Amino acid sequence: AQSVAQPEDQVNVAEGNPLTVKCTYSVSGNPYLFWYVQYPNRGLQFLLKYITGDNLVKGSYGFEAEFNKSQTSFHLKKPSALVSDSALYFCAVRVRNNAGNMLTFGGGTRLMVKP
Amino acid sequence: DAGVTQSPTHLIKTRGQQVTLRCSPKSGHDTVSWYQQALGQGPQFIFQYYEEEERQRGNFPDRFSGHQFPNYSSELNVNALLLGDSALYLCASSLVRLAGTKNIQYFGAGTRLSVL
Repeated sequence: AQSVAQPEDQVNVAEGNPLTVKCTYSVSGNPYLFWYVQYPNRGLQFLLKYITGDNLVKGSYGFEAEFNKSQTSFHLKKPSALVSDSALYFCAVRVRNNAGNMLTFGGGTRLMVKP
Repeated sequence: DAGVTQSPTHLIKTRGQQVTLRCSPKSGHDTVSWYQQALGQGPQFIFQYYEEEERQRGNFPDRFSGHQFPNYSSELNVNALLLGDSALYLCASSLVRLAGTKNIQYFGAGTRLSVL
């Protein structure tokens, strides 16, 4: 079985400050990891993925994430937050040998960026 | 380039009724996955269709069924609706034929189903 934990329901940060949204995972095998963002009344938008290689992954809108195998974590980061980054963020995992395509999502973290 | 489109956007049904939701994948994509997102929760995988067959299924009852057409579009059917089926239903498409398990799923805006 695979699972994802996002320990913070909400993260508050001031505009211009760095932000971190935490994600830990549990899988039997090597993972593919993803971050998605959801704006109100919208579907999920893909931000970035870790497949293999460099542990620091860069994605859309200035976001990046660091894969840490020993801590089974994949935290999302951004050096300088914008008010427009306020949204719901989801971390997801897929096992590499997954014959299907299933993504397992965390419960989501609401990011609030205040001016 | 059109992304993933879903219809309808909103739907209201009563308990015991049946519902059909529709999804058109992103141009060039061959695989459709369906997810249920209850209020305040992350999406839960329902099933995935590839080459017009159900390839993988999550922990959902047989009341949930689907279909994929030759043009790769897909339908999700839910029979005997329960109050607990009220949720946002998300469709995601991907290109599995070339990318394999490294594929990225792209999501539609969803269909919000309310069961009264």
